[in-house]
Amino acid sequence: DQQVKQNSPSLSVQEGRISILNCDYTNSMFDYFLWYKKYPAEGPTFLISISSIKDKNEDGRFTVFLNKSAKHLSLHIVPSQPGDSAVYFCAASAQSNYQLIWGAGTKLIIKP
Amino acid sequence: SAVISQKPSRDICQRGTSLTIQCQVDSQVTMMFWYRQQPGQSLTLIATANQGSEATYESGFVIDKFPISRPNLTFSTLTVSNMSPEDSSIYLCSVREGLNQPQHFGDGTRLSIL
Repeated sequence: DQQVKQNSPSLSVQEGRISILNCDYTNSMFDYFLWYKKYPAEGPTFLISISSIKDKNEDGRFTVFLNKSAKHLSLHIVPSQPGDSAVYFCAASAQSNYQLIWGAGTKLIIKP
Repeated sequence: SAVISQKPSRDICQRGTSLTIQCQVDSQVTMMFWYRQQPGQSLTLIATANQGSEATYESGFVIDKFPISRPNLTFSTLTVSNMSPEDSSIYLCSVREGLNQPQHFGDGTRLSIL
């Protein structure tokens, strides 16, 4: 049973345009959500997070939106740059648990 | 955030042998985790490394195959025992300093078994 789902295995975006990565979850106990970026030869790098008490969090070019009623979150990257080409993972946790539950990842390709 | 050093960064091993992966953190952390990422897959949690007691393993992972030590709050090891080609993966150490805090990862150990 996948509690965190990233339904798009890959996404191709033109450099300079907006990249939108999506994530859905099923567990209503989740209250903390994170996005990570991973390059092939490195460990995942934390990008941005959001608590369930908010519906938006912004950090530079990265914005995460949370829609609790739809159990959906998205990561917006604008403008997209070549260095953004990587695999992006969505993750979630519940207040009572240190473990993160991970999505399958979306490979983002930024085209020149 | 904590700086995590993992060794070795990669290795090629023979079937049936064992390899111990080390994870060193530059500060004391509450929670340490070991993950596996098989080719083209997401991250799979192997176990939570508990300081001073036995690790807590996830379904499908057992102590005999993946013994873990955590002698203090800054160091842990994961051993992959009696390796087979199916163990070829990236193994990742991760720490989390509190609830509503992100996890941070080492760069991983890329393991290939011949």
